[in-house]
Amino acid sequence: AQSVTQLDSQVPVFEEAPVELRCNYSSSVSVYLFWYVQYPNQGLQLLLKYLSGSTLVKGINGFEAEFNKSQTSFHLRKPSVHISDTAEYFCAVSVPQGGSEKLVFGKGTKLTVNP
Amino acid sequence: GAGVSQSPSNKVTEKGKDVELRCDPISGHTALYWYRQSLGQGLEFLIYFQGNSAPDKSGLPSDRFSAERTGGSVSTLTIQRTQQEDSAVYLCASSFLFSGSHATDTQYFGPGTRLTVL
Repeated sequence: AQSVTQLDSQVPVFEEAPVELRCNYSSSVSVYLFWYVQYPNQGLQLLLKYLSGSTLVKGINGFEAEFNKSQTSFHLRKPSVHISDTAEYFCAVSVPQGGSEKLVFGKGTKLTVNP
Repeated sequence: GAGVSQSPSNKVTEKGKDVELRCDPISGHTALYWYRQSLGQGLEFLIYFQGNSAPDKSGLPSDRFSAERTGGSVSTLTIQRTQQEDSAVYLCASSFLFSGSHATDTQYFGPGTRLTVL
């Protein structure tokens, strides 16, 4: 079974600082990987996804993530954060082979950007 | 509509009552998903529909939970004899499935229904 671990439940940073939100997954087969963001009182929005090809994926709002198969990681990064990036971020995995094609989510990381 | 809509946005009910949660997917989206977001459990998959059929019901927590989809559009999630542990935000998502794989097609989420069972 697939699982996703987000190592940090809360990450506080100052505005314009870089940030990395960590995500590790476990799966015995190839996976697709996603990062979703949930702004306060809003639904989930896709930030970026890795399906195949280049291991560095660029998403919206200046975020990027790097797929590392050997470390089974898919960490999310942004070189300079804004107050508006304050939100909860979810890493998710999907297995592209038959069966149940659902998203399995991590427990989320709350990013708080302080002035 | 422009996005996935859910109603009601908030629902407070008494233990033992039945509730119905509604999801209107993006027009033309053939796949529809229900998830539950609760404290301590994070986001959990409940069920997904391809058209009106539900190939995967593995996430439904108990037989008190059921869902249906009619006309390939609106879906209703029903919880019978609600319990306090059912309190959560119930999220609906839909996708177009243009690539033939649920895994690769972006799921668009609604704002959720916050259910509180007293």
